[in-house]
Amino acid sequence: GEQVEQRPPHLSVREGDSAVITCTYTDPNSYYFFWYKQEPGASLQLLMKVFSSTEINEGQGFTVLLNKKDKRLSLNLTAAHPGDSAAYFCAVRHIASSSFSKLVFGQGTSLSVVP
Amino acid sequence: DTTVKQNPRYKLARVGKPVNLICSQTMNHDTMYWYQKKPNQAPKLLLFYYDKILNREADTFEKFQSSRPNNSFCSLYIGSAGLEYSAMYLCASSKGRQDTQYFGPGTRLLVL
Repeated sequence: GEQVEQRPPHLSVREGDSAVITCTYTDPNSYYFFWYKQEPGASLQLLMKVFSSTEINEGQGFTVLLNKKDKRLSLNLTAAHPGDSAAYFCAVRHIASSSFSKLVFGQGTSLSVVP
Repeated sequence: DTTVKQNPRYKLARVGKPVNLICSQTMNHDTMYWYQKKPNQAPKLLLFYYDKILNREADTFEKFQSSRPNNSFCSLYIGSAGLEYSAMYLCASSKGRQDTQYFGPGTRLLVL
């Protein structure tokens, strides 16, 4: 089945610097990709949903890049601020059977943005 | 409102005792999921309900039960808790099995 590797597990950056989190996946047939953000004590919140046909996806203060050739998904936070401090999870929608696809998650990255 | 609620938020259980966790959503989503998350590991799908049909992952088939008495509620039941069940349990829901999943805050279960 699909396997998703997320790096790094922990990341600390200074306010105003960029932060990059990367996920690699194994199934070339995966077609939807997700980034979730989880603040302490809160739910996983969807940051962005990316379809496999779009390589560059712009959000508010971040960019998601999809490299299908290398099977790599990255979240690039530009000019990070303390409010970005949270756990981030990538997820890949994997076709598990003819009638069902499921989300396969990465292990998560704990991001700390220091003033 | 995209809120998924989970109760309790924290649960302490003894080895060998049953555990019942509750999830609710008011978005009229037809699909509800349960994930298990341990520290430094990815959330792992345990089972999901599509309408009234329960689907359990093969490797956790015998360890977890679930019920969905109506569209809004879904429970996760452990008949006899073991130490290895200590984890965060996340509930999620979606409108359709292919759509975006919305997550609850989780229930942290500690088995002693």
